Amino acid sequence: GAVVSQHPSWVICKSGTSVKIECRSLDFQATTMFWYRQFPKQSLMLMATSNEGSKATYEQGVEKDKFLINHASLTLSTLTVTSAHPEDSSFYICSARIIRQSSYNEQFFGPGTRLTVL
Amino acid sequence: AQSVSQHNHHVILSEAASLELGCNYSYGGTVNLFWYVQYPGQHLQLLLKYFSGDPLVKGIKGFEAEFIKSKFSFNLRKPSVQWSDTAEYFCAVNQDTDKLIFGTGTRLQVFP
Repeated sequence: GAVVSQHPSWVICKSGTSVKIECRSLDFQATTMFWYRQFPKQSLMLMATSNEGSKATYEQGVEKDKFLINHASLTLSTLTVTSAHPEDSSFYICSARIIRQSSYNEQFFGPGTRLTVL
Repeated sequence: AQSVSQHNHHVILSEAASLELGCNYSYGGTVNLFWYVQYPGQHLQLLLKYFSGDPLVKGIKGFEAEFIKSKFSFNLRKPSVQWSDTAEYFCAVNQDTDKLIFGTGTRLQVFP
């Protein structure tokens, strides 16, 4: 199956700093990647849709200036949490969509990144 | 508001017991339905999906789900669970686009 990686797997940072999380599709090209956020014992909430070569589409209530998304290549999307605060602490998960001509465009998920802001 | 509900938050079973996890959605119109599984320390994996046709869908590892349109439900079942089925299970829905809306998840613990 298709593999998606995320780096780092966990990060601890001080309040006010920025953190960059990478999402890579290792063995396929993905024109579209998705970024999710998961709070403890809660569901995955879609934050934004990342499109290669164009601006990301953010879900309602997600600050685009706070969560910067860059999808510069067909295998890499990055999420930068700018001026992080403790309330940004969460589990961030990305997925990459694989295009199939005759069937569902399945999403493959990365292992997630645990962000802790002190 | 459109939503996906999983009423079983935590299920504990012994091996060989039967499993049924509930999933209800509140979308109108045509929907695509999914069950994902997340084993401890691993990423989300697709168990099965329903787009159209036979409402009884068979997935990997002996799991199946039944779409009941009149009840807006897509419950996941397995006749006999194994210890290795211990994981978090998520129901998800999408409509027309690839955006997935997830339920809150059900944690399944299977004891030998």
